[in-house]
Amino acid sequence: EVLLVESGGGVVQPGGSLRLSCAASGFSFADYAMHWVRQIPGMPLEWVSLMSWDGGSTAYGDSVRGRFTISRDNTKNSLYLQMNSLRPEDTAFYYCAKGTVGSGYGDYFDNWGQGTLVTVSS
Amino acid sequence: DIVMTQSPDSLAVSLGERATINCKSSQSLLYSSNNKNYLAWYQQKPGQPPKLLIYWASTRESGVPDRISGSGSGTDFTLTISSLQAEDVAVYYCQQYYDTPPTFGQGTKVEMK
Repeated sequence: EVLLVESGGGVVQPGGSLRLSCAASGFSFADYAMHWVRQIPGMPLEWVSLMSWDGGSTAYGDSVRGRFTISRDNTKNSLYLQMNSLRPEDTAFYYCAKGTVGSGYGDYFDNWGQGTLVTVSS
Repeated sequence: DIVMTQSPDSLAVSLGERATINCKSSQSLLYSSNNKNYLAWYQQKPGQPPKLLIYWASTRESGVPDRISGSGSGTDFTLTISSLQAEDVAVYYCQQYYDTPPTFGQGTKVEMK
């Protein structure tokens, strides 16, 4: 059974930083791209970032590019999202999602974690 | 970015009746080289993450009941629940993966009448 468990969310002041983690199990983590998707409560889903199976390719949404950095450690079956210069509009649930291809492009999400809540507020 | 527009925003359906959700993309999601439509559907219940229902516009994910089906091609797609059950009450999202960034529709809330 595929399991994705996010951690690292919390309350942070505007301009602050936070690092999210996603621990994966139940599949061959190193074979698949991984994604971060976020959702303001009660609002639609917004894709944030992807990293290819080997870490060689990344992509970001316009709203986070230059502030967020995605990374992965295939030896630890883990995905990360370093979030800097946080803004109140970054407040959302952040989901780790498994892709279905190695590149992450042309990809949908077949498994999701339960999410971790990030609140940016003074 | 490709814009995904769902209709209606919400609908109330009686138990056992049909629910139909539409999704329109701002450009074609049909990739000519493989004749596949890069469109997925998700179901999200309150307090839960999204769950994949349909990919390639009409392929049902393992374990999804056959009363849930997807159809359409190009820019117009439909998710149909042929006989609504209580456990189908949720918000449904379409998502295009033809281009990066992948984008979602605004969601359709399905309630029991």
